[in-house]
Amino acid sequence: GDSVTQTEGLVTLTEGLPVMLNCTYQTAYSTFLFWYVQHLNEAPKLLLKSSTDNKRTEHQGFHATLHKSSSSFHLQKSSAQLSDSALYYCALSERNNNAPRFGAGTKLTVKP
Amino acid sequence: EAAVTQSPRSKVAVTGGKVTLSCHQTNNHDYMYWYRQDTGHGLRLIHYSYVADSTEKGDIPDGYKASRPSQENFSLILELASLSQTAVYFCASRDRVDTGQLYFGEGSKLTVL
Repeated sequence: GDSVTQTEGLVTLTEGLPVMLNCTYQTAYSTFLFWYVQHLNEAPKLLLKSSTDNKRTEHQGFHATLHKSSSSFHLQKSSAQLSDSALYYCALSERNNNAPRFGAGTKLTVKP
Repeated sequence: EAAVTQSPRSKVAVTGGKVTLSCHQTNNHDYMYWYRQDTGHGLRLIHYSYVADSTEKGDIPDGYKASRPSQENFSLILELASLSQTAVYFCASRDRVDTGQLYFGEGSKLTVL
């Protein structure tokens, strides 16, 4: 079945350093990949989405590129900010499936 | 403004008691979902529905029932609450013709004692 793997459960960075959160997936179908961000005591919100192979998508300083050859959709940012501290989820949704699946999440903490 | 609202936002229940978590959406979306959030497990799908009066089992349905009496409302029912069901529960909706993007409610924190 479908699955999403986020290898890092916890990531701690110093402000100003680059961010890279890993996401790999398994699916037999054409699909959309998403990054959701959840700040403390809030609901998850969409950060990025993509279904196009090898095309970079950007939003709010973050970017990700879907690579179907390696089944990856890593989240990156050039310079971390304190406000980036949050829980980040990678998720996939098949075109013909009604139930999006999520990874285990990566908690990003950015320190001064 | 389109929204997904959950009630109650927080609840303390006793083991063996019945708990109902409610979700209401004004997005005019066909699909609705219940996810459970636990540290280290992410968001796991409990039940979902793509039309009123019909529900489907997700990945972890045991111990939960769902009800979709109308397009706008989707409830999660714990008939006999257990300690292991202590978690934060999120409801979400999705448009049938959309890319799969979910719109989440604010969450319901359930503590079973």
